Amino acid sequence: SYVLTQPPSVSVAPGQTATITCGGNNIRSKSVHWYQQRPGQAPVLVIYDDRDRPSGIPERFSGSNSGNTASLIINRVEAGDEGDYYCQVWDSTGEHHVFGSGTKVTVL
Amino acid sequence: QVQLVQSGAEVKKPGASVKVSCKAAGYTFTYYAIHWVRQAPGQRPEWMGWINAGNGNTKYSQTLQGRVTLTADTSATTAYMELSSLTSEDTAVYYCARRFTSLDHWGQGTLVTVSS
Repeated sequence: SYVLTQPPSVSVAPGQTATITCGGNNIRSKSVHWYQQRPGQAPVLVIYDDRDRPSGIPERFSGSNSGNTASLIINRVEAGDEGDYYCQVWDSTGEHHVFGSGTKVTVL
Repeated sequence: QVQLVQSGAEVKKPGASVKVSCKAAGYTFTYYAIHWVRQAPGQRPEWMGWINAGNGNTKYSQTLQGRVTLTADTSATTAYMELSSLTSEDTAVYYCARRFTSLDHWGQGTLVTVSS
């Protein structure tokens, strides 16, 4: 089964840049999606297909995917960006969605 | 706007079944698949399966195969997830989500608690 690995936590000061990584074997061959989840709420899509933003998501959110690592970058971090972030891919071998272990973003 | 509205919280005893509904609005129901994802407390989301709302075809997670059944009522634009033989390990928030390339819209979640 395909495994996605994320750092458990990232801490960042307001106005700075947060980078969240998602590691997987040859992940560059897959489309990676990112979700933000605030406490007690449903996940919200923030990046799809590696780097595209849904309507309503600020331009401060961007994504990249290369080699064995995909990344979500949050520029000019705000207090409202706090929450858990999950990467996700479709594993065509097992024919199922796989979610990363999740990263808790804390704004200092 | 796209909305997925789920049924309310459930409390079930071990061995029972639960059925959660997901009412879709704001788009053509039969054009998209509905996926179901659950999330146990403090855990990552876990994909359960999906249903093609247009033709009713389904695909289930191997770990839940045989216990989960997904259906869709196109006249009511509503999808359903039924999970049987519940144990305490099934206590989680259950979400429906619409899939385009990603899971682009999610329901608000339904808490299912399994307790004797």
